[in-house]
Amino acid sequence: SQQGEEDPQALSIQEGENATMNCSYKTSINNLQWYRQNSGRGLVHLILIRSNEREKHSGRLRVTLDTSKKSSSLLITASRAADTASYFCATDRKDSNYQLIWGAGTKLIIKP
Amino acid sequence: KAGVTQTPRYLIKTRGQQVTLSCSPISGHRSVSWYQQTPGQGLQFLFEYFSETQRNKGNFPGRFSGRQFSNSRSEMNVSTLELGDSALYLCASSFLEGSNSPLHFGNGTRLTVT
Repeated sequence: SQQGEEDPQALSIQEGENATMNCSYKTSINNLQWYRQNSGRGLVHLILIRSNEREKHSGRLRVTLDTSKKSSSLLITASRAADTASYFCATDRKDSNYQLIWGAGTKLIIKP
Repeated sequence: KAGVTQTPRYLIKTRGQQVTLSCSPISGHRSVSWYQQTPGQGLQFLFEYFSETQRNKGNFPGRFSGRQFSNSRSEMNVSTLELGDSALYLCASSFLEGSNSPLHFGNGTRLTVT
């Protein structure tokens, strides 16, 4: 069964606006990671947040983690055309030898 | 520092053939993971190698196999190819095994089976 599930599946916003994507998971985790993928290319790591952390920042990115709700959000502020990509969350499961399980991703389109 | 290198970038094979994909990790990384990405199934974990030992395996048939060499370079092999094996195969390296450090991905090998 799928561990991480992102929503929305797709998001289209104007350049300069903020974009928020969510990830929910089902079992206890050690950490949660967010990645970006441009069309047809490999994934790029954005942020890793551990289960004992609540918020992390990296440039225009802010990730929050709520372990009580088993959910995380990725906020991209002041979006740019170059942010157009698919965004994936990956969670490890303590009952699967910390193998990473991936969500289906959120496709983000930034309109100029 | 050079990134993760995957070769070849594109591959076209026919059903029943076998294929070998190669991955060179970032220097100093001893963990290499392989993933299959398709529009329908998303990103699916194949296996992870650390210091030449398979540490974790996904839910794929035995036609999918891999290995890691002493220099951390890795290969994966798919035998008796099926149409459903058409996918983007991604390799990722990391400094630590498992989920304890970020993955660094290559740009993948696009395999088309006809």
